[in-house]
Amino acid sequence: GQSLEQPSEVTAVEGAIVQINCTYQTSGFYGLSWYQQHDGGAPTFLSYNALDGLEETGRFSSFLSRSDSYGYLLLQELQMKDSASYFCAVSGDDKIIFGKGTRLHILP
Amino acid sequence: EAGVAQSPRYKIIEKRQSVAFWCNPISGHATLYWYQQILGQGPKLLIQFQNNGVVDDSQLPKDRFSAERLKGVDSTLKIQPAKLEDSAVYLCASSRQLLGLAGDGSYNEQFFGPGTRLTVL
Repeated sequence: GQSLEQPSEVTAVEGAIVQINCTYQTSGFYGLSWYQQHDGGAPTFLSYNALDGLEETGRFSSFLSRSDSYGYLLLQELQMKDSASYFCAVSGDDKIIFGKGTRLHILP
Repeated sequence: EAGVAQSPRYKIIEKRQSVAFWCNPISGHATLYWYQQILGQGPKLLIQFQNNGVVDDSQLPKDRFSAERLKGVDSTLKIQPAKLEDSAVYLCASSRQLLGLAGDGSYNEQFFGPGTRLTVL
């Protein structure tokens, strides 16, 4: 079967760097995605990793290790607007599973 | 480009009643998804269409939920009869193609609509 594990909450200070980890179990792995969701809003796409390594998009980076079934989202230069829930999602064998989400709290 | 459209935005019904949600994906997107998101949890995929064919409906409670995408464009999700535990946000999403067919992130992005918040009393 498929499963995902990510921390339920993370707290960081404005301007700092935070890493949100995600471990997964799946068959027929295609890729790992990250989505951001503000309260009351819809999920918005951040990144997709199909191959091992780091993908960078502005202040956000995402890493994947297929051999370890592990990935992380790295947020740099944290801003208050980054306070949101972050979901990892794995796609494989025509199935898509989202994690339970990590609530990111940012302190001024 | 216009985003994913959903209606209604809010719906309140009593248990055992029926309800239907509508979704219009981004023009040209072949793949359409319906998710259920219960408060405090991640989205749960209910059904995935590729054009007008079902790719995955393994988590759809087929005794009460049904969905169709007859012309391969817009889609409806129906619940009949509703239960209290169906209270959730129902999200529709679309993507250019099935996830994983191409390694490029731009082809593996799901675009979500604003969702329909369903309350079952």
